[in-house]
Amino acid sequence: SQQGEEDPQALSIQEGENATMNCSYKTSINNLQWYRQNSGRGLVHLILIRSNEREKHSGRLRVTLDTSKKSSSLLITASRAADTASYFCATDRAGNNRKLIWGLGTSLAVNP
Amino acid sequence: EPEVTQTPSHQVTQMGQEVILRCVPISNHLYFYWYRQILGQKVEFLVSFYNNEISEKSEIFDDQFSVERPDGSNFTLKIRSTKLEDSAMYFCASSAGGQYTQYFGPGTRLTVL
Repeated sequence: SQQGEEDPQALSIQEGENATMNCSYKTSINNLQWYRQNSGRGLVHLILIRSNEREKHSGRLRVTLDTSKKSSSLLITASRAADTASYFCATDRAGNNRKLIWGLGTSLAVNP
Repeated sequence: EPEVTQTPSHQVTQMGQEVILRCVPISNHLYFYWYRQILGQKVEFLVSFYNNEISEKSEIFDDQFSVERPDGSNFTLKIRSTKLEDSAMYFCASSAGGQYTQYFGPGTRLTVL
């Protein structure tokens, strides 16, 4: 498998429920970023977590990073129909020139 | 809030033609990037640009591709002779000096016929 693999590939939940998406990567990283993409549209930055951080919050988003397991999770609490989108993690590897390596993403459907 | 803009939103071209995709990064940013996303596939890094030169490029970024920052605001991606497999969404991004967050534009959907 490749750097930045998300699971599950697809997730369907009811409005108000929490959604958890996971990401794994292979090499040492500087940072891990989560992005959202609405169908066929641009990539919206959600949150960046540094390799020396373990948890970060932003509104209804909570991101964790476990560098020993080379994995991260994105939790969206109290989901809304407007959260329906694809979610991607992207990593920049330690020592590189900032290029981001992406996973295939998790497609989240929040049903009203 | 400042944002990255891209034009055109959709470009249709014939195979073999040259295309130029345009981007206006966030004004005080120093690092610029192009990525592409073929339908249903991962986002792929193409090139990064800093201090008026390419800092890194991927295997995809062959001699058919070039980037330019012709003035203080625009950042362009040129594909000299398009192929069918160049059909994709092309995203421009920028980041500030000392910051790793990359801010993306809305993308240009390139269709090569």
